[in-house]
Amino acid sequence: GAVVSQHPSWVICKSGTSVKIECRSLDFQATTMFWYRQFPKQSLMLMATSNEGSKATYEQGVEKDKFLINHASLTLSTLTVTSAHPEDSSFYICSATPEGVDDQPQHFGDGTRLSIL
Amino acid sequence: GENVEQHPSTLSVQEGDSAVIKCTYSDSASNYFPWYKQELGKRPQLIIDIRSNVGEKKDQRIAVTLNKTAKHFSLHITETQPEDSAVYFCAAAGGGADGLTFGKGTHLIIQP
Repeated sequence: GAVVSQHPSWVICKSGTSVKIECRSLDFQATTMFWYRQFPKQSLMLMATSNEGSKATYEQGVEKDKFLINHASLTLSTLTVTSAHPEDSSFYICSATPEGVDDQPQHFGDGTRLSIL
Repeated sequence: GENVEQHPSTLSVQEGDSAVIKCTYSDSASNYFPWYKQELGKRPQLIIDIRSNVGEKKDQRIAVTLNKTAKHFSLHITETQPEDSAVYFCAAAGGGADGLTFGKGTHLIIQP
């Protein structure tokens, strides 16, 4: 149980394109989901906390107009990288914790590798 | 905000020996400390976690210890095997509603 699905797994696109990444909790509901970014050979960095039905909370240094987050339901959060540039190329990964279960760990999706040409 | 320091960045041990990775954190409000194993290009996999009301937790060859007073926690892997080779990350969080702050990772190499 507690499966998080992320789509797409790999995206290659031209500079200036906007890219949408989906994060779905398949067998549980999640009021809160998290988005992380991982550059090659580096650690995971929390970008933002996605809250169902309200605005996302962004970490310091993350541009909210650049990385649009929509958490429209208890099972789906989307991250849109707007006007992507080569420096946005990274591994983007989401996680979620089942709602109302305090001692559950965060469950990660498989990640999306974004390459901007 | 939380700051997590992880050492060493690279650790090479002989197969069968033990490996220890250490982390410190800064926010005394943090109460959840997971450890993840990540293979190249894949998602982080939770290998063990500990909460602040517990000092030690063990799962077969893997154990984690937590010292809340000193704000540090450690991962211990005994009887290491080649398949233990990977990058290991520690993390800290204030609870289920908080995102994780990760350490910079340790590249564990098991020498045959």
